[in-house]
Amino acid sequence: DTGVSQDPRHKITKRGQNVTFRCDPISEHNRLYWYRQTLGQGPEFLTYFQNEAQLEKSRLLSDRFSAERPKGSFSTLEIQRTEQGDSAMYLCASSLAGGGETQYFGPGTRLLVL
Amino acid sequence: GNSVTQMEGPVTLSEEAFLTINCTYTATGYPSLFWYVQYPGEGLQLLLKATKADDKGSNKGFEATYRKETTSFHLEKGSVQVSDSAVYFCALGTGANSKLTFGKGITLSVRP
Repeated sequence: DTGVSQDPRHKITKRGQNVTFRCDPISEHNRLYWYRQTLGQGPEFLTYFQNEAQLEKSRLLSDRFSAERPKGSFSTLEIQRTEQGDSAMYLCASSLAGGGETQYFGPGTRLLVL
Repeated sequence: GNSVTQMEGPVTLSEEAFLTINCTYTATGYPSLFWYVQYPGEGLQLLLKATKADDKGSNKGFEATYRKETTSFHLEKGSVQVSDSAVYFCALGTGANSKLTFGKGITLSVRP
């Protein structure tokens, strides 16, 4: 068990550019979650997958955001036409299915939009 | 909707002091409750959890009891150490998707 990994760890981009982040969950976990965390706040839910199906998206997830988990393993989160307000830490977590299961978090990708 | 309220911080304590961090919640259904911790330069990691009323979660000397009647999940430790300095987040998970709703977090600094 190598834990949840995320790549890149840091990303600096200019406003209007597209960015893509990757998350590799713990191998036997069928659920994968994306959260966003801004300074001084707790993480906020963005979306989640069970296997390859995206089952819920938050209203925080505008049309510029898209997430995929094509084979039920790794996931990508893409932000198109980035805005300064997108600057945040993007966290990925994985878990087994079921109520009360622990979500294990990756180290996060810190995005700065200039 | 679901929400988690944590006491305002930051909190600064001397080593070996008693710690209480308050957490209350509002939720539909029967949530599971969690405390996550973020040490400097590291990612979020689970500290403890409780999945039903009156359960007590414990780990590394920390404890929290799921109190349905007061909708609370306060974190306690009898004697804090410098190594406990971190940001602590209270969270709840409900429903089939178990997505987490977090509080704002509180920074704990323990001085020698």
